[in-house]
Amino acid sequence: QSALTQPASVSGSPGQSITISCTGTSSDVGGYNFVSWYRQHPGKAPQLMIYDVSNRPSGVSNRFSGSKSGNTASLTISGLQAEDEALYYCNSYTSSSTWVFGGGTKLTVL
Amino acid sequence: QVQVVESGGGLVEPGGSLRLSCAASGFLFSDYFMTWIRQAPGKGLEWVSYISSSGVSIYYADSVKGRFTISRDNAQNSLYLQMHSLRAEDTAVYYCARVDVMVSHFDYWGQGTLVTVSS
Repeated sequence: QSALTQPASVSGSPGQSITISCTGTSSDVGGYNFVSWYRQHPGKAPQLMIYDVSNRPSGVSNRFSGSKSGNTASLTISGLQAEDEALYYCNSYTSSSTWVFGGGTKLTVL
Repeated sequence: QVQVVESGGGLVEPGGSLRLSCAASGFLFSDYFMTWIRQAPGKGLEWVSYISSSGVSIYYADSVKGRFTISRDNAQNSLYLQMHSLRAEDTAVYYCARVDVMVSHFDYWGQGTLVTVSS
């Protein structure tokens, strides 16, 4: 149950777009379309932003989008806003009938 | 509205036990899988365990297998996590979360309860 690999940090200026990658294996990210992304502001509970690779829950801005290629999933945030500054975690279902998270990526809006 | 509220956290000595509870409301609890996820101070999220809607299917992370037991009471709309043989590395905020109907992601989270394992 090794954690999925995410960059420790990414940054962008307001209005720009950024992409956060999430790399796993064929036993998790590559084997299922059950990749989800969560945003966590300091001291708060995580919030679902993307599920099943590319679906947005009701209420989540269409500035957030997800995709997957092979064993790597990606979260793209367009039109960066100050409120987007947070930690972002990817998650995938696995062949062991468990779930695994990525290590988290700190997004800084410059 | 959907709500899950954890309780039961606190300070416990290494080797001790603690039972966490999660009270659910705003949805038909017996229809949903439920899960526990934890976050050590300053660290990332770690999936801990999940239980099927009926309680028949249960899975654990290797880090807690044999020490933690997940259970649920559908009549009381409650989820539990019994923790034994606690270690310093179990210190974390423990979140209760609802698993969506397709069992692919965690759609509603509680605010968490802090467990501190220290002498």
